Amino acid sequence: AQSVTQLDSQVPVFEEAPVELRCNYSSSVSVYLFWYVQYPNQGLQLLLKYLSGSTLVKGINGFEAEFNKSQTSFHLRKPSVHISDTAEYFCAVRRSYNTDKLIFGTGTRLQVFP
Amino acid sequence: SQTIHQWPATLVQPVGSPLSLECTVEGTSNPNLYWYRQAAGRGLQLLFYSVGIGQISSEVPQNLSASRPQDRQFILSSKKLLLSDSGFYLCAWSAGSPSQPQHFGDGTRLSIL
Repeated sequence: AQSVTQLDSQVPVFEEAPVELRCNYSSSVSVYLFWYVQYPNQGLQLLLKYLSGSTLVKGINGFEAEFNKSQTSFHLRKPSVHISDTAEYFCAVRRSYNTDKLIFGTGTRLQVFP
Repeated sequence: SQTIHQWPATLVQPVGSPLSLECTVEGTSNPNLYWYRQAAGRGLQLLFYSVGIGQISSEVPQNLSASRPQDRQFILSSKKLLLSDSGFYLCAWSAGSPSQPQHFGDGTRLSIL
């Protein structure tokens, strides 16, 4: 079975600083990986996804993530954060041959301070 | 383009009352549909998913049920709400391919009194 671990429940950072949100997954089969963002009282919005090919994936709002198969990681990064990036971020995994469901991590709360 | 609608946005219900939350998707056919619950400060818990009309898979045994009476309509119900049913309920859809992400509605905030 697949599982996702988001290592940090909260990440405080000052505006314009870089940030990395960590995600590790466990799976015995090939997977697709996703990052979502959730602003307060809203649904989840897709930031980016890794399916295959280049291990560096660029998404919306200046975010990018790097897939590392040997470390089974898919960390999310942004070189310079804004106050508006304050939100909850979820990493998710799905088996590459199965369409039924995503397995989500428990989320990381990114708090950007001025 | 595809859109997903959930309603109501907020709901306050007494313990023991029934529940019906509705979700509809536009601009696509035969989507996979999902209901999630998010407790305060917690992650996402998958409640039900459906790959077609009348086909419902339950992930967590509880007093909630789901139905899919039409291709793009997904309903979450309860006959008698419990205090523990409070939370943020999210509906999502995805196309029938593993590489396709799930797309979420704006959610329903349910408070049980």
